[in-house]
Amino acid sequence: DAGVIQSPRHEVTEMGQEVTLRCKPISGHNSLFWYRQTMMRGLELLIYFNNNVPIDDSGMPEDRFSAKMPNASFSTLKIQPSEPRDSAVYFCASSPSTSGRAKETQYFGPGTRLLVL
Amino acid sequence: DQQVKQNSPSLSVQEGRISILNCDYTNSMFDYFLWYKKYPAEGPTFLISISSIKDKNEDGRFTVFLNKSAKHLSLHIVPSQPGDSAVYFCAATSDYKLSFGAGTTVTVRA
Repeated sequence: DAGVIQSPRHEVTEMGQEVTLRCKPISGHNSLFWYRQTMMRGLELLIYFNNNVPIDDSGMPEDRFSAKMPNASFSTLKIQPSEPRDSAVYFCASSPSTSGRAKETQYFGPGTRLLVL
Repeated sequence: DQQVKQNSPSLSVQEGRISILNCDYTNSMFDYFLWYKKYPAEGPTFLISISSIKDKNEDGRFTVFLNKSAKHLSLHIVPSQPGDSAVYFCAATSDYKLSFGAGTTVTVRA
């Protein structure tokens, strides 16, 4: 079984450029989560989708960040324009939960390591 | 506001011995707790969980203990194996939002 797939695995870009991170959740999972991991803040939830609908985007740092889920098998996280402080590892996770309860367990992808110069 | 705290950033243990990882939380609304394991360059992998209606959950070499009155949980790994060397994250939730601790790096010595 394929797990959560993320691309690219590594991204190096210059400040001001647009960055798009991609995620394919596990087939049949109804909930999708984007997380960011930094040394200072650890793992923090950015946005949560349930059945392709954004339910909670309170963790999105600012308007430069946007996320979409056009269908059940694909999601993007976009940063425009990117800044050096956006450098982090971005994880996508999915869950089979129809209600979004974490009790169903979230399965994480391998992450995208982003470096903004 | 760190609602889940793992106060030991690292732990070194000899192969075959017990590893004990600790986690404290402040939010009394949390009713479900999870442990994730993370290897370098990989995403966190679910390890074991416990509901607030229980005080212990066991899965093979892994046991999680929950002390609700102290708002404390621990993960015991017995016996520790070299493949257990990783970063362990404690997480807690009352809905869909997982709050993670900072992680504890476990090194199992041969």
